Amino acid sequence: AQSVTQLGSHVSVSEGALVLLRCNYSSSVPPYLFWYVQYPNQGLQLLLKYTTGATLVKGINGFEAEFKKSETSFHLTKPSAHMSDAAEYFCAVSDHPGTASKLTFGTGTRLQVTL
Amino acid sequence: GAVVSQHPSRVICKSGTSVKIECRSLDFQATTMFWYRQFPKQSLMLMATSNEGSKATYEQGVEKDKFLINHASLTLSTLTVTSAHPEDSSFYICSARDPPGRIGYSPLHFGNGTRLTVT
Repeated sequence: AQSVTQLGSHVSVSEGALVLLRCNYSSSVPPYLFWYVQYPNQGLQLLLKYTTGATLVKGINGFEAEFKKSETSFHLTKPSAHMSDAAEYFCAVSDHPGTASKLTFGTGTRLQVTL
Repeated sequence: GAVVSQHPSRVICKSGTSVKIECRSLDFQATTMFWYRQFPKQSLMLMATSNEGSKATYEQGVEKDKFLINHASLTLSTLTVTSAHPEDSSFYICSARDPPGRIGYSPLHFGNGTRLTVT
């Protein structure tokens, strides 16, 4: 079984400050890891994914995440927060990237960006 | 890029009636679609996996007779909430996966969700 734990249901940062959203995973096989963003009353948009290869993954909107196997972590970062980054962020894991593989989501972290 | 269209975006219905939600893949064929339910301020819970031309696979605890799923074509899956009750009020989201090898492949493309309110 796979799972992800997102530490902190709410994170608040000032505009221009570093964004750090934490995600730890549990998996018995090499994991495939994802970060999604959800704006109010909308579906999810993929920010970035880790499958194989380089452990530092760059995504859209200036976000990046680093896969650290030793720490079973996949934290999401952005050097400088923008007001438009305020949203709900979900970390997710699957055991393979095939067409029918399921994603297991974390409980989400709501990012608030203040002036 | 790949787009998944979900309709309607919002629906209000009376208790005891049925509601159908459509999920369409607009520019790719999806043999597999997924239906999620999201409670307020909570994560997405997978309800079922919709397979084109065959029966859906439901997750444990999801009533298949209440949440009817039909995947009649490679671009359309429907979720029907039968005899809806207020506790069925929720945000329902569908997703579809790009076929392997497609340019811009990503794990899942999500619809924009349907807010169901049962009065």
